[in-house]
Amino acid sequence: DAKTTQPPSMDCAEGRAANLPCNHSTISGNEYVYWYRQIHSQGPQYIIHGLKNNETNEMASLIITEDRKSSTLILPHATLRDTAVYYCIVREIQGAQKLVFGQGTRLTINP
Amino acid sequence: EPEVTQTPSHQVTQMGQEVILRCVPISNHLYFYWYRQILGQKVEFLVSFYNNEISEKSEIFDDQFSVERPDGSNFTLKIRSTKLEDSAMYFCASSPRQFRTYEQYFGPGTRLTVT
Repeated sequence: DAKTTQPPSMDCAEGRAANLPCNHSTISGNEYVYWYRQIHSQGPQYIIHGLKNNETNEMASLIITEDRKSSTLILPHATLRDTAVYYCIVREIQGAQKLVFGQGTRLTINP
Repeated sequence: EPEVTQTPSHQVTQMGQEVILRCVPISNHLYFYWYRQILGQKVEFLVSFYNNEISEKSEIFDDQFSVERPDGSNFTLKIRSTKLEDSAMYFCASSPRQFRTYEQYFGPGTRLTVT
C-alpha cells in the first residue's frame, strides 16, 4: 500500500502557483520523497525528489518539513498543460526499488 | 532527449492468446520495470529486472507472465495466455544507476485489449 496521503483533487488558476500537499508521517530515515505526474493516460513523468532539504529544478520545487512527515510540491506558474494526476511516493533509494503509486491528486488548471 | 519507447501502442488480442509487449529502455540505463494500469485504477508494479534477472515481482506477476532482455536494447513482457482481466495500459520504465537518483523514466505505454 502507498505510504502517503494526498487530497483527491485540487484546482488552480492558470499563472498562479499550485501547491500540492502530501503527508508521509511514517517515512523512515532512508526513504526519499518522489513526485511523479501522469497526464491523461500517458506514462508517469518524474518531477523531483528529495530527502530532507528543499529541492528545486526546472519543473518544480519540493518543500519537505523539518520532521519529514509532510511535503509540498510547488509548480510556480501553472499552465493548462500542468493538468494531471500528481503522485507523491516515498521510496528507498537503493537500486531497483519499485514505485508504489497511490491515487494521487488530480490537479486541474483553470484558464 | 533520450526516452523510453514501447511498441505497439495498442494491441488487441483474443482471450487465451499469447502477447509480447516490447520496450526499448534508455540506452545507458541498467534497471528495467513493467507496470500496468487498469482503466480508472492505480498504476501497479509488476516486475523489476536488473543484471539479466528479476529483482522483484508482484503478486500480479504470476506464471503467465515472463520478461526477457533478448539483446542489448529490447526489454519484453510476455503474457502466455491472456485473460479478459489483463486488459490494461502496460508501462515500461528504466532507471540509471546513479548515486542518490534512480528516478524511473516511463514509456508512453501499450494499451492491451483482450476480447
